[in-house]
Amino acid sequence: AQRVTQPEKLLSVFKGAPVELKCNYSYSGSPELFWYVQYSRQRLQLLLRHISRESIKGFTADLNKGETSFHLKKPFAQEEDSAMYYCALKPIGGNNRLAFGKGNQVVVIP
Amino acid sequence: EAEVAQSPRYKITEKSQAVAFWCDPISGHATLYWYRQILGQGPELLVQFQDESVVDDSQLPKDRFSAERLKGVDSTLKIQPAELGDSAMYLCASSLSQGNTEAFFGQGTRLTVV
Repeated sequence: AQRVTQPEKLLSVFKGAPVELKCNYSYSGSPELFWYVQYSRQRLQLLLRHISRESIKGFTADLNKGETSFHLKKPFAQEEDSAMYYCALKPIGGNNRLAFGKGNQVVVIP
Repeated sequence: EAEVAQSPRYKITEKSQAVAFWCDPISGHATLYWYRQILGQGPELLVQFQDESVVDDSQLPKDRFSAERLKGVDSTLKIQPAELGDSAMYLCASSLSQGNTEAFFGQGTRLTVV
């Protein structure tokens, strides 16, 4: 079974400082990794996925299969980045279950 | 822009009562998910449909929870009887297919069991 671990519950950073949210996973097959975000009073939405290899809202994430990690990074935090962030995993060609980590709350201090 | 619709947004029920939630996925989305999110935790999959068929309900407490998607479109999740520990946010999501496509989430139903 797949498992996603996000070790930090709350991350507070000052505006303009770098942000890094850690995500580690365990899955025996080939995974697809995602980061979902939930802004205050909004629905959970996709931020980025590893196969796209793109930067969204200044965020990037690289899949490191050796370390089984998919950390989310942004070099300069903005106030609008304050939100809950969830790392998620879906097996490629497997049971298609989308499994989530417990989430990180990010607070950007002006 | 098409969205996943859920109702009600909030539900308060007494323990041992029955409660039901409704989800209307984005039109054309074959895969539908029901998740439960307890405060402070990530979403946990309860049941997954592909069209009208259940493809994964391994985490669904079947003694009290049931889910159906009779025509392969909208879906209902039922709890009977509700217990205090069922208090949570119930999220519905849909995606185009079982393949590696994006899941779109509804606003959720916040259930409080008293």
